[in-house]
Amino acid sequence: EADIYQTPRYLVIGTGKKITLECSQTMGHDKMYWYQQDPGMELHLIHYSYGVNSTEKGDLSSESTVSRIRTEHFPLTLESARPSHTSQYLCASSGQGDGYTFGSGTRLTVV
Amino acid sequence: QKEVEQNSGPLSVPEGAIASLNCTYSDRGSQSFFWYRQYSGKSPELIMFIYSNGDKEDGRFTAQLNKASQYVSLLIRDSQPSDSATYLCAVKQAGTALIFGKGTTLSVSS
Repeated sequence: EADIYQTPRYLVIGTGKKITLECSQTMGHDKMYWYQQDPGMELHLIHYSYGVNSTEKGDLSSESTVSRIRTEHFPLTLESARPSHTSQYLCASSGQGDGYTFGSGTRLTVV
Repeated sequence: QKEVEQNSGPLSVPEGAIASLNCTYSDRGSQSFFWYRQYSGKSPELIMFIYSNGDKEDGRFTAQLNKASQYVSLLIRDSQPSDSATYLCAVKQAGTALIFGKGTTLSVSS
């Protein structure tokens, strides 16, 4: 079944650690996105990609990096986690149409 | 700055009533408009999209778009308790990612 997968589902990590949030999709979508969402708040775009070796920064990109080496894989890396990074991170993809399919999200807590 | 505005609610309606959710956007170049439903603790799921002025119906849901007024709405007919969720309006220009509003929380009482 075509889908979009995020791992881990939950992560608790210490300040200063480097972390990578994984996102993979099996739908063959060219476009992939990372959003950050705090409880009760709107989604903020972190990074997006329109294809292999193509990445763009969103509004909250300054403290993270992404790569797109394969179509199906779009990992997000925080080089040095801080408590302010505590949030839910949502990965999404889209194909020919504009509608996004979201993964289940990674809930990150930095202590 | 491009903005998408929604009344955060909560909007409370009785079961069987029509729920009306509204959204305004600031960028006149916006081309695509989406409504997502998000249950507490879950990811957003797409329920409607609309590209042209007018109404678009899908089951109990109707999306309405007025580009001149920069206004998009979602009507939910025969509201059910299972419709209780946060509804996110999202707007897209060509070549850019979706911009989301903060969402309107809908509560349907039985």
